[in-house]
Amino acid sequence: NAGVTQTPKFQVLKTGQSMTLQCAQDMNHNSMYWYRQDPGMGLRLIYYSASEGTTDKGEVPNGYNVSRLNKREFSLRLESAAPSQTSVYFCASSQVTGVYEQYFGPGTRLTVT
Amino acid sequence: LAKTTQPISMDSYEGQEVNITCSHNNIATNDYITWYQQFPSQGPRFIIQGYKTKVTNEVASLFIPADRKSSTLSLPRVSLSDTAVYYCLVGGVSSGSARQLTFGSGTQLTVLP
Repeated sequence: NAGVTQTPKFQVLKTGQSMTLQCAQDMNHNSMYWYRQDPGMGLRLIYYSASEGTTDKGEVPNGYNVSRLNKREFSLRLESAAPSQTSVYFCASSQVTGVYEQYFGPGTRLTVT
Repeated sequence: LAKTTQPISMDSYEGQEVNITCSHNNIATNDYITWYQQFPSQGPRFIIQGYKTKVTNEVASLFIPADRKSSTLSLPRVSLSDTAVYYCLVGGVSSGSARQLTFGSGTQLTVLP
């Protein structure tokens, strides 16, 4: 039982490049989330998916797109990376949407130069 | 999501009980109180969740007074490995409540030998 997995663990992009962060969970959870965490700060919600087939914006969605591919997988895409998107990205999942118990992945450390 | 206020940092010694208080004056009737722990370079980990009075599990206790405008996370007999950032979240458990999910800056707990 791997929990929540994320790929890649590290990534360096040049400004304007695109990439997709992958996330998968094996706990049969309904809800999935993408957060970003800047140095010394708390986590901010980018997008979430309350259930398969639905997605919704969080606090900081600009510059990102998401896809809930199926119940297990939730991907985050940066279409044209900017230095302001340098951050650590965490994926999470939970059985019920909201502040209910969320399980987090190990994170992806992204640097945009 | 109700706004929360926590101390920025706290120090304690090994073996002591630590109490971290969170203020949430505008908590709504349907809101729950949830605490997470985060170690460096890891995603947050759920510790405990409660609605009123007292909740206890194998790692912590959560005390919530009758007016629910604050809550206290209690960690018994802390060890060096409890050094981490602790986040207090207050909100509902519905898809609408997830939209403003933000972890804030949390409380940096440092346990000294």
